[in-house]
Amino acid sequence: NAGVTQTPKFRILKIGQSMTLQCTQDMNHNYMYWYRQDPGMGLKLIYYSVGAGITDKGEVPNGYNVSRSTTEDFPLRLELAAPSQTSVYFCASRRQGSFFGQGTRLTVV
Amino acid sequence: DQQVKQNSPSLSVQEGRISILNCDYTNSMFDYFLWYKKYPAEGPTFLISISSIKDKNEDGRFTVFLNKSAKHLSLHIVPSQPGDSAVYFCAASGGSGGGADGLTFGKGTHLIIQP
Repeated sequence: NAGVTQTPKFRILKIGQSMTLQCTQDMNHNYMYWYRQDPGMGLKLIYYSVGAGITDKGEVPNGYNVSRSTTEDFPLRLELAAPSQTSVYFCASRRQGSFFGQGTRLTVV
Repeated sequence: DQQVKQNSPSLSVQEGRISILNCDYTNSMFDYFLWYKKYPAEGPTFLISISSIKDKNEDGRFTVFLNKSAKHLSLHIVPSQPGDSAVYFCAASGGSGGGADGLTFGKGTHLIIQP
């Protein structure tokens, strides 16, 4: 099993550009999450989904959008990148404990 | 207003000794607590969890203790090994979302195991 797979691993964006962070899991988990981790901080929840077609905002949703058309995929969209979105992004799926992807390191310049 | 607090940014322990990592929480609605281990450039890895109906859970070298009245939990690692050097995150779930709405994390404690 691959677990939770995130792409890309690294990306540099210019201010105002848009991009989609991809996340897919092969464990058939209903619950999926996007977190961001800023330097020296814990992970903060951006969006979550409890199943295909159902998404909801977490603690820091501004500037992001998500969709969940299948159980496996949970992409995160940045429409107008800002320097404040420079962070490491983690996707996770959950049964009991959460299983995390390896992260996407995003820099907005 | 941090709901999950790890007040020690770092901890240094000698190999073979016990490592004790502490975590405090403020939200009395939390009913499930987890510890994650994170190496640089990797995602967090689930280590051990505990439900609020228990006060102790053990898995090999790792034991988590929960003191609900003090809103405090701790992770004990015995004996500490060099591979345990990592950042450890305490996390909690529950509250109004029933846990489906994700985890609330502390800022982490960097554990350094010295030879």
